Amino acid sequence: GDSVTQMEGPVTLSEEAFLTINCTYTATGYPSLFWYVQYPGEGLQLLLKATKADDKGSNKGFEATYRKETTSFHLEKGSVQVSDSAVYFCALADYKLSFGAGTTVTVRA
Amino acid sequence: DVKVTQSSRYLVKRTGEKVFLECVQDMDHENMFWYRQDPGLGLRLIYFSYDVKMKEKGDIPEGYSVSREKKERFSLILESASTNQTSMYLCASSPLMIEQLNTEAFFGQGTRLTVV
Repeated sequence: GDSVTQMEGPVTLSEEAFLTINCTYTATGYPSLFWYVQYPGEGLQLLLKATKADDKGSNKGFEATYRKETTSFHLEKGSVQVSDSAVYFCALADYKLSFGAGTTVTVRA
Repeated sequence: DVKVTQSSRYLVKRTGEKVFLECVQDMDHENMFWYRQDPGLGLRLIYFSYDVKMKEKGDIPEGYSVSREKKERFSLILESASTNQTSMYLCASSPLMIEQLNTEAFFGQGTRLTVV
């Protein structure tokens, strides 16, 4: 069945460092791909999305490109802030919505 | 704003009890989902529903059932709670055909269930 494999954490970074979280997927059709974020004590919220191959989603300085040839949707941010500390989930939607295991990111000042 | 409301933030139940977790959405979404979130395992899909009275098993349906009598409400039922069902439970809703539309799923705040 469809699945999402996400880079394991936790990840600890200093402010202004570059962040990459790897995500690969397995799907039989043409899914949409998402990154959701969960800040401490809060619910899940959408960070960015891409609906077809080569689409780039972006929000709050984060970017991810839907790569069909490598079945990947890696999340990147060029310069992280303490406020980016959160758990990040990669997700795939076809007839249902499936999530990766989540990556905990901690940014130190 | 889309709102997905879960009836309780925290619940403590005894082993063997029948437990109901309620979820209500106010955006007339067709799809509704129940997940459990555990450290290191991410979100695992328990059940989902794409219409009233329709339900589909997710990845871990054992020990759970669901009910969708009205479009806006999706209930998760633990028939006989066990300690291994202690977890954070998340409800979500989305329009139908999420993969074909430029849309997303919206989540409730979660219910932290402890079974003792």
